[in-house]
Amino acid sequence: DTAVSQTPKYLVTQMGNDKSIKCEQNLGHDTMYWYKQDSKKFLKIMFSYNNKELIINETVPNRFSPKSPDKAHLNLHINSLELGDSAVYFCASSQRTGTGELFFGEGSRLTVL
Amino acid sequence: SQQGEEDPQALSIQEGENATMNCSYKTSINNLQWYRQNSGRGLVHLILIRSNEREKHSGRLRVTLDTSKKSSSLLITASRAADTASYFCAPRGSGNTPLVFGKGTRLSVIA
Repeated sequence: DTAVSQTPKYLVTQMGNDKSIKCEQNLGHDTMYWYKQDSKKFLKIMFSYNNKELIINETVPNRFSPKSPDKAHLNLHINSLELGDSAVYFCASSQRTGTGELFFGEGSRLTVL
Repeated sequence: SQQGEEDPQALSIQEGENATMNCSYKTSINNLQWYRQNSGRGLVHLILIRSNEREKHSGRLRVTLDTSKKSSSLLITASRAADTASYFCAPRGSGNTPLVFGKGTRLSVIA
């Protein structure tokens, strides 16, 4: 069973479109994250979320929004896509109390044309 | 910031040699974690060392931590081609802020 799964794995879309990437974890963790990895492989935290607290990296444009229907899911919605949004987006989860070890999904490669 | 900075940025070695990667950070930590990322895949947790530990082993991995110098090193002994990947360190503070990653060390092990 995949611990953290993301869909879709690949997404190609036009500038200006709105898209979503879904993430689910079956580890029973209480905190989930979205990271963005650019072409230079730099991995940047975008959001962390549990049912009480959303921490947003202040550099993330408000076109990006996390949506959590329940503890096991954290979806990423992106409005009005721009060329610079092309990247690989990783979902991760952890248990808030404990060592903070992260479990990552396999990534979703977004290409904006 | 709790971001770690890995050094060197890239490392190329022959199979069977040892690979050493370093990590420096700036704030006090609760633990420090190392992750591996194979090309096109997500990060995978390798090993964690707590702030009160100085050295830890796991298989062919050896991690050291020097809190006075705010640095850590990851040693992979008897490297294999399958060790080719990027390696990231992530210092964790006492709060609940997310782990922040640097640019990593790209390790190439040549068969």
